[in-house]
Amino acid sequence: EVQLVESGGGLVKPGGSLRLSCAASGFTFSSYTMEWVRQAPGKGLEWVSSITSSSTYIYYADSVKGRFTISRDNAKNSLYLQMSSLRAEDTAVYYCARVLAATHAFDIWGQGTMVTVSS
Amino acid sequence: NFMLTQPHSVSESPGKTVTISCTRSSGTIASNYVQWYQQRPGSSPTTVIYEDNQRPSGVPDRFSGSIDSSSNSASLTISGLKTEDEADYYCQSYDTSNVVFGGGTKLTVL
Repeated sequence: EVQLVESGGGLVKPGGSLRLSCAASGFTFSSYTMEWVRQAPGKGLEWVSSITSSSTYIYYADSVKGRFTISRDNAKNSLYLQMSSLRAEDTAVYYCARVLAATHAFDIWGQGTMVTVSS
Repeated sequence: NFMLTQPHSVSESPGKTVTISCTRSSGTIASNYVQWYQQRPGSSPTTVIYEDNQRPSGVPDRFSGSIDSSSNSASLTISGLKTEDEADYYCQSYDTSNVVFGGGTKLTVL
């Protein structure tokens, strides 16, 4: 079964750091672009970051640029998001998703992990 | 960066047809594929349309997508509405270094 499972969410103080992980299974992880998308409570979807299959190209939303770092370990079938200088507005459910590079369609989503930034 | 604008909410009766629009603010809607995602409360999004008008396997043919260059917009049409279609729907597109989601449309089937 094709599956993405996020972990690492939790409660963190403003200015703090957190590392999210996404474990992939059921497909050849190293062949796919992977991305992070977040959703603040009661709000819509917001793209966060993208990393191509070999980590050649990495992109960030302006809202997280300079604070978040996306990475992947193809040997471990894992995607990561290192978040630092966290703000209250970063509070959201964070989803990892598999992307079809040619069409940029998100075809597989994880269940999400909640990040709460609060003092 | 461009934006995708959707109506905040739409409502329609079971059995009827509803269309949700998604208007691109700059650049050409036809220059990059548009996808549509359905999200039920408490669940992750799932794809109902990809590549403007393609349905993933398992998505009923009641769901269809189109683009209109004259209005620079994409549309999701759901026919024969069922109560199970009640959900939030998001359009999504991209450019060279950016991915954009529309603000989402809450579909109420009543």
